[in-house]
Amino acid sequence: NAGVMQNPRHLVRRRGQEARLRCSPMKGHSHVYWYRQLPEEGLKFMVYLQKENIIDESGMPKERFSAEFPKEGPSILRIQQVVRGDSAAYFCASSPYVAQGGSSPLHFGNGTRLTVT
Amino acid sequence: QKEVEQNSGPLSVPEGAIASLNCTYSDRGSQSFFWYRQYSGKSPELIMSIYSNGDKEDGRFTAQLNKASQYVSLLIRDSQPSDSATYLCAVNLGIQGAQKLVFGQGTRLTINP
Repeated sequence: NAGVMQNPRHLVRRRGQEARLRCSPMKGHSHVYWYRQLPEEGLKFMVYLQKENIIDESGMPKERFSAEFPKEGPSILRIQQVVRGDSAAYFCASSPYVAQGGSSPLHFGNGTRLTVT
Repeated sequence: QKEVEQNSGPLSVPEGAIASLNCTYSDRGSQSFFWYRQYSGKSPELIMSIYSNGDKEDGRFTAQLNKASQYVSLLIRDSQPSDSATYLCAVNLGIQGAQKLVFGQGTRLTINP
């Protein structure tokens, strides 16, 4: 009964490199959410995806960041040409399908701590 | 005005006392509210959800919601040192079934033995 699985747990990249963060949702969950947490700050919504669709990317920086959730395999958050300000904890969460008007708590993975040197 | 606001603390409470954490939100249409606990270096862990006005109790935890005042709170009775953590208030601002949670900045709680 695995929860939300994220890897790697820790990722170190030099400025200008690419970072790829992976997230496998809980079994039976079709929706994935990515959040970023800067040091000593709260969680900031980045993007919400269903299989093969980006539903809401209003929290994604306009450049260098992209996300996907393919039909097969985990969701990927990709950061190109990383800068020191990208250093943060990136959390993925998942939920099942919820009918309009309903609600379901998000369950978070253990996160990926990205350090840009 | 921030969508979800919490006092950042730190809030210090003696062991055995009641810890009271508060949160206000700006979107009157919000219907779902959550409290998460986050230990340092760990991921957020759901401890309470509340959808209706009034109180909801689960063990030592009680969530209180007042939609008219746009206010949600969390009470922790008989506080233990293991309750020391950052508590995050979250409000669901999603539409059409989306669970788009907006978080407050968190309140750091310390329980003093």
